[in-house]
Amino acid sequence: SQQGEEDPQALSIQEGENATMNCSYKTSINNLQWYRQNSGRGLVHLILIRSNEREKHSGRLRVTLDTSKKSSSLLITASRAADTASYFCATASYNTDKLIFGTGTRLQVFP
Amino acid sequence: EAQVTQNPRYLITVTGKKLTVTCSQNMNHEYMSWYRQDPGLGLRQIYYSMNVEATDKGDVPEGYKVSRKEKRNFPLILESPSPNQTSLYFCASSPDRGIFNEQFFGPGTRLTVL
Repeated sequence: SQQGEEDPQALSIQEGENATMNCSYKTSINNLQWYRQNSGRGLVHLILIRSNEREKHSGRLRVTLDTSKKSSSLLITASRAADTASYFCATASYNTDKLIFGTGTRLQVFP
Repeated sequence: EAQVTQNPRYLITVTGKKLTVTCSQNMNHEYMSWYRQDPGLGLRQIYYSMNVEATDKGDVPEGYKVSRKEKRNFPLILESPSPNQTSLYFCASSPDRGIFNEQFFGPGTRLTVL
C-alpha cells in the first residue's frame, strides 16, 4: 500500500536554481522522512520531520510539513549537478511498524 | 565505519534454485528490514524485525522468508525464486523505535531470476 506520493515524477533544472518536490500522504503520521538515492545505489537519509514540527532545515535543504493538508515539501536551494538523484518521502504511522515509501521524484540538475 | 552490508551485490539465478541474501549491520540496531525496489513502484517492504527472534510481514512477503537469530544479521531467503522476484533489494537498519528514526540502507542486491 503506497502512502506517500511524490510530485512531480521528474524535474529538470539548471545548476543554481531551486528544486521543490512535494509529497502527499493519506493517514495520520508520526513522522515523515526524505531520502536521496543515486542511480541504483542505497538510499541516504536526508531529514526526518515529526508531526508536531512545521519546518526543518539542513544545509541547503528545507522541509515543510502541513499535517492538515497531509503534505510535505522538500526544497533544495542553489542546486548542484551532484544533487542529481531520485528523492523519496517515507511516512511512519502510529499504528504500524512499517515505513511506507512513495514512488519518488527524479531530479536532474544540468551544469 | 558504521554500515549495513549486503551480499551478494549482484546475482543471476534460475527459477526454483534456493538462495540467501545476507545483511549485516555493525551499529547494534534493533530494527532491521528488507525492501524491494521496482520501476514505478518505489520501495516496498518485504519483512521487518523489531529485535532478535521478532520478525513480521511487510507489504509483499509472499515468496520470502527471513530470520533474526542474532542482532546484527537479517538474511533474506528465497526458497523457490521465480522471475517476478527479479528486483533490486535493500536491507536497512535503525536504532530502537525503528521507523521513528532514520533508516540506514545497505548498497543493494540486484537479483535476476531466469
